[in-house]
Amino acid sequence: EAQVTQNPRYLITVTGKKLTVTCSQNMNHEYMSWYRQDPGLGLRQIYYSMNVEVTDKGDVPEGYKVSRKEKRNFPLILESPSPNQTSLYFCASSFKGPNEQYFGPGTRLTVT
Amino acid sequence: DAKTTQPTSMDCAEGRAANLPCNHSTISGNEYVYWYRQIHSQGPQYIIHGLKNNETNEMASLIITEDRKSSTLILPHATLRDTAVYYCIVRSFVGTNAGKSTFGDGTTLTVKP
Repeated sequence: EAQVTQNPRYLITVTGKKLTVTCSQNMNHEYMSWYRQDPGLGLRQIYYSMNVEVTDKGDVPEGYKVSRKEKRNFPLILESPSPNQTSLYFCASSFKGPNEQYFGPGTRLTVT
Repeated sequence: DAKTTQPTSMDCAEGRAANLPCNHSTISGNEYVYWYRQIHSQGPQYIIHGLKNNETNEMASLIITEDRKSSTLILPHATLRDTAVYYCIVRSFVGTNAGKSTFGDGTTLTVKP
């Protein structure tokens, strides 16, 4: 089944403890992206990747890192999480060009 | 990227057409109009997209005005399962912003029996 998977789906952690949220797609998509969504708001783009080894900042990149060493994976790294990074995170992927983005199921992160 | 403006909320009677407007008055010539929807806190679901011409698929129709400054998403026969937040976004696939994707706050559509 074609899909975008994220792990973990739920995570509660403490301030300053490094964490990684994984994202993987099995559709051979070139483009991948991370978004965060806060209550009552739309999605805000954190980082995106047009292809392997190519990453760029979205609208809210502060406090996050990403890497794209393989086409299928696009992990989101929080080196020192803070409470203001408590949010719902979505990973998405698509073929390059004007195509639809496929979204993962989301990761709900709480930083205390 | 051009920004979009959508009404905060709309209601629609079950079985009737739902017409969701979107204003994108600063859209540039190479930007596409996309619609997604999100049910509860699930991952957004793609609905439809277009550049200039009107588009139709099994889910919806997209009507883009001739000047491209606004568009309307039409769900022809809304059902209760269409209750969701609908996002209109514009995206370019060329230039320095080729990968950027900016979602607004969307329209909460409530379909009522």
